[in-house]
Amino acid sequence: QVHLVQSGAEVKEPGASVKVSCKASGYIFTGYYIHWVRQAPGQGLEWVAWIAPNSGGTNYAQKFQGRVTMTRDTSISTAYMELSRLRSDDTAVYYCARGVAAGDHWGQGTLVTVSS
Amino acid sequence: AIQLTQSPSSLSASVGDRVTITCRASQGISSTLAWYQHKPGKAPQLLIYDASDLESGVPSRFSGSGSGTDFTLTISSLQPEDFATYYCQHFNSYLWTFGQGTKVEIK
Repeated sequence: QVHLVQSGAEVKEPGASVKVSCKASGYIFTGYYIHWVRQAPGQGLEWVAWIAPNSGGTNYAQKFQGRVTMTRDTSISTAYMELSRLRSDDTAVYYCARGVAAGDHWGQGTLVTVSS
Repeated sequence: AIQLTQSPSSLSASVGDRVTITCRASQGISSTLAWYQHKPGKAPQLLIYDASDLESGVPSRFSGSGSGTDFTLTISSLQPEDFATYYCQHFNSYLWTFGQGTKVEIK
């Protein structure tokens, strides 16, 4: 059975960085992209980036270019999203999702709160 | 960049009602569209992919149609567990784009 398990909630000060993990199980990790999507309070879903675990190739939404870094460790089937220079409007639930054209399995979400 | 516009933004409906949500793309996207259901505190759930294919395990009361620029998600008979927010989503080679969401509330 496919599972994506994310790391726990984080509280960060403005200007800091956060790194969220997404551990995959139940399938071949290198066979599917991992996407990251966020939802700020009261807002809709917003795509952040994807990583192709087999090659390490990435693509980021333009608004996050220069602030987000996607990495993976294939030995432990885990993808990571690091967001730097955090601002208050980065407060959101961050989800990882498996898939290419659509996300057929999702992590449980990680709440990142940016507050001084 | 392609924009997806959903309508309505919200709707009120009763159990048993037929509900239709539309998603319009700013340019033609063939059938590269998915639909998700999202409930508070839960992860989004894929309902439909490739515009009209039902994801495994999703009830048959959900259906999708359309191609090009105009798409619809239909719930044939609304059930209590269907009250949620629904999003359309498009993928090209480089990114995902979401519609702004349609909140389905109890009448």
